[in-house]
Amino acid sequence: TQLLEQSPQFLSIQEGENLTVYCNSSSVFSSLQWYRQEPGEGPVLLVTVVTGGEVKKLKRLTFQFGDARKDSSLHITAAQPGDTGLYLCAGGEENSGGSNYKLTFGKGTLLTVNP
Amino acid sequence: DTGVSQDPRHKITKRGQNVTFRCDPISEHNRLYWYRQTLGQGPEFLTYFQNEAQLEKSRLLSDRFSAERPKGSFSTLEIQRTEQGDSAMYLCASSFISGTDGYTFGSGTRLTVV
Repeated sequence: TQLLEQSPQFLSIQEGENLTVYCNSSSVFSSLQWYRQEPGEGPVLLVTVVTGGEVKKLKRLTFQFGDARKDSSLHITAAQPGDTGLYLCAGGEENSGGSNYKLTFGKGTLLTVNP
Repeated sequence: DTGVSQDPRHKITKRGQNVTFRCDPISEHNRLYWYRQTLGQGPEFLTYFQNEAQLEKSRLLSDRFSAERPKGSFSTLEIQRTEQGDSAMYLCASSFISGTDGYTFGSGTRLTVV
């Protein structure tokens, strides 16, 4: 069973601060996806990274996939109250046909940005 | 397209009753997934379909659970003889076959077994 460990579990910061969330595994994943989830709603996809060492930027969010495709990080610059939510990383497993068919999720990082 | 729709949003049932949830995926997506999420945990994989074929079921999916996708469009998840441990958020998602474009999740069905 592939596991993803996210850290920290909880993070409370002031508006304007920077933060980094980590996602680590001992297993190799074919892709790594980041989602944001609000209470009572389903996760919403932020980004997918598939190549080791890949870096993607989405406005103030920067995502990196580790060279060995076992870990990832999410960095938020100048956090805003609207960034508050549960951030989930998910590793994709490939089936024999080479397509991602199942995601393994971490437990998430609950981020609170205080105004 | 309005995204992935799930119905009902909330369900309260007595222990021992059967419940059925419905999911309408994005019409262009070939794959449909069911996940379960409990408080403080990330979503856990239950099963997935490619078109109408159910290709994998998790060990979490006991014989009280059954999922169908009869015409390769909407899907249903039925839980028979519900137990308190079944209380969770049941999430449906859909994607293209590659999966690397990510999943689109519905808003989920919150099940409470009393």
